[in-house]
Amino acid sequence: SYELTQPPSVSVSPGQTASITCSGDKLGDKYISWYQQKPGQSPVLVIFKDNKRPSGIPERISGSNSGNTATLTISGTQAMDEADYYCQAWDSSTAVVFGGGTKVTVL
Amino acid sequence: QVQLQESGPGLVKPSETLSLTCTVSGGSVTSGTYYWTWIRQPPGKGLEWIGYIYYTGSTNYIPSLKSRVTISMATSKTQFSLRLSSVTAADTAVYYCARGVDVPMVAYFDLWGRGTLVTVSS
Repeated sequence: SYELTQPPSVSVSPGQTASITCSGDKLGDKYISWYQQKPGQSPVLVIFKDNKRPSGIPERISGSNSGNTATLTISGTQAMDEADYYCQAWDSSTAVVFGGGTKVTVL
Repeated sequence: QVQLQESGPGLVKPSETLSLTCTVSGGSVTSGTYYWTWIRQPPGKGLEWIGYIYYTGSTNYIPSLKSRVTISMATSKTQFSLRLSSVTAADTAVYYCARGVDVPMVAYFDLWGRGTLVTVSS
């Protein structure tokens, strides 16, 4: 079955850039989506089709996908960005697969 | 504005069947554009896709749960349901219903319910 691997945690200082990676075999051949989940809340879609932002998502959140790694980048990180982030892709054998999630801490 | 809301028992006994309903307000599950999906999250853990149903009635389930899962549409056109049989403590989770877009190949979830916690315990 297909797997997506994320680092368990990422720490960032306010105003700096946070990069969250998601790795999988030939991931660049698939479309990646990213979700933000704050404590006690439902996940929210922040990136789809690798780098598209839904309406209402700030431009400082961006995504890229190439080779075996997709990256979610949060520029000018704010306290409100502290959350768990999950990557997700479609695989022909597994259908929908999520990464294990990355906890972003704004120090 | 379309909203999703899960409902159902919060406590299920081991070996029994978990049954949940998702109500779509402001929209219809027969629109032909979306895939109506169930996703769960065990306490303190990550997200796990369970399966989806399309307006034609076609379904797709995660292989590990396929023998125990049924997702169906209600005749009301504004609800779809999840049934998970022979539950164990490992099925304890927050269950979310969500709206899937561009399935397959792209497959992302642009709208989620608030989730409902189901605990499996005697």
